[in-house]
Amino acid sequence: DVKVTQSSRYLVKRTGEKVFLECVQDMDHENMFWYRQDPGLGLRLIYFSYDVKMKEKGDIPEGYSVSREKKERFSLILESASTNQTSMYLCASRPMGVDDTQYFGPGTRLTVL
Amino acid sequence: ILNVEQSPQSLHVQEGDSTNFTCSFPSSNFYALHWYRWETAKSPEALFVMTLNGDEKKKGRISATLNTKEGYSYLYIKGSQPEDSATYLCAFNAAGNKLTFGGGTRVLVKP
Repeated sequence: DVKVTQSSRYLVKRTGEKVFLECVQDMDHENMFWYRQDPGLGLRLIYFSYDVKMKEKGDIPEGYSVSREKKERFSLILESASTNQTSMYLCASRPMGVDDTQYFGPGTRLTVL
Repeated sequence: ILNVEQSPQSLHVQEGDSTNFTCSFPSSNFYALHWYRWETAKSPEALFVMTLNGDEKKKGRISATLNTKEGYSYLYIKGSQPEDSATYLCAFNAAGNKLTFGGGTRVLVKP
């Protein structure tokens, strides 16, 4: 079974802190994604990566950066956390095929105080 | 940003009843349409990936149809059970790598 893991289920940080969210997948997938989920807004794509060291902005990249140094690991970085970044963050991975399904991690609920 | 809409946002269903809901998406540049089920405190799980106009997929009591020319997909649940309570997400793939998700339909099945 494909497994996507995220470093924390719950995280509480203070405004201005630098926050790292880690995601690891074990199926050698090329594509990895970071989403945030807010009530009434569905899943919104923050950043994605289709290969090591490659990254592309999603729909809401402002305030975030990412790092992909190894194929299995994709990190989301909040350079200076703000209260409007309080949200559920979901990582996902997917192979390259157009009709391949996407596999999600369990999510990290981040609260910024 | 592509517009993917799901309706209704939520619905209550009596146990044993059947129900359906809609995902609408752009009818141009279509690659694939995904459906996911997201239960509380779990990760979203894939239900279907649909790629051809007229596709029909089935998994147990859940099925889906696809109309790429008019840009919609229906998801059907037959004989709803409490374990079907979840948020159902559709996602549109226009260009290979990334998916654009709808807002979801939250289904609550009442015993």
